[in-house]
Amino acid sequence: EAGVVQSPRYKIIEKKQPVAFWCNPISGHNTLYWYRQNLGQGPELLIRYENEEAVDDSQLPKDRFSAERLKGVDSTLKIQPAELGDSAVYLCASSETGIGTEAFFGQGTRLTVV
Amino acid sequence: GESVGLHLPTLSVQEGDSAVIKCTYSDSASNYFPWYKQELGKRPQLIIDIRSNMDKRQGQRVTVLLNKTVKHLSLQIAATQPGDSAVYFCAEKNDYKLSFGAGTTVTVRA
Repeated sequence: EAGVVQSPRYKIIEKKQPVAFWCNPISGHNTLYWYRQNLGQGPELLIRYENEEAVDDSQLPKDRFSAERLKGVDSTLKIQPAELGDSAVYLCASSETGIGTEAFFGQGTRLTVV
Repeated sequence: GESVGLHLPTLSVQEGDSAVIKCTYSDSASNYFPWYKQELGKRPQLIIDIRSNMDKRQGQRVTVLLNKTVKHLSLQIAATQPGDSAVYFCAEKNDYKLSFGAGTTVTVRA
């Protein structure tokens, strides 16, 4: 089992440029989360999917962020245009459907906007 | 907004001593509380969890306590080792939404 796979691991872009992150969850996990983690902070939820449906995107800055999970498996998170304040680690996590199920995290993508 | 509160952002302990991390949660509907450990530059990993129908759960050198009356959680790490140095996050799950606190940085002194 490969676990949750994210790519790229690192990304450096200039402000105003677009960027995309990719996540492949654990096979069979219907729930997928995207989190943003700033240095020294806990993960902050951006969006949660149940299969292909975004069931909680209240924390996603929709003017510049978008996400999709076509076919309810892989997911992409996009930022366009990026701002300096978007520099952070973007974490993807997945879990089986249910209340007391463990969420497994990917290694994250460290984004630096210059 | 952040629903999980933290008592101490940093904690330093002597190797071999116990470390106790406390946090509070705000949503009385939350019924699952995982604790994650995150080493520098690595992903968060679950170390222990507890459901709302329990008030104590023990693992290997770790114990989690849940007080639903005052919405408090605590994590005890016994006989600390250098490898326990990391950031520890408490979290709560409500209606499938998993929310994290700010984390406590634990440093184990040799």
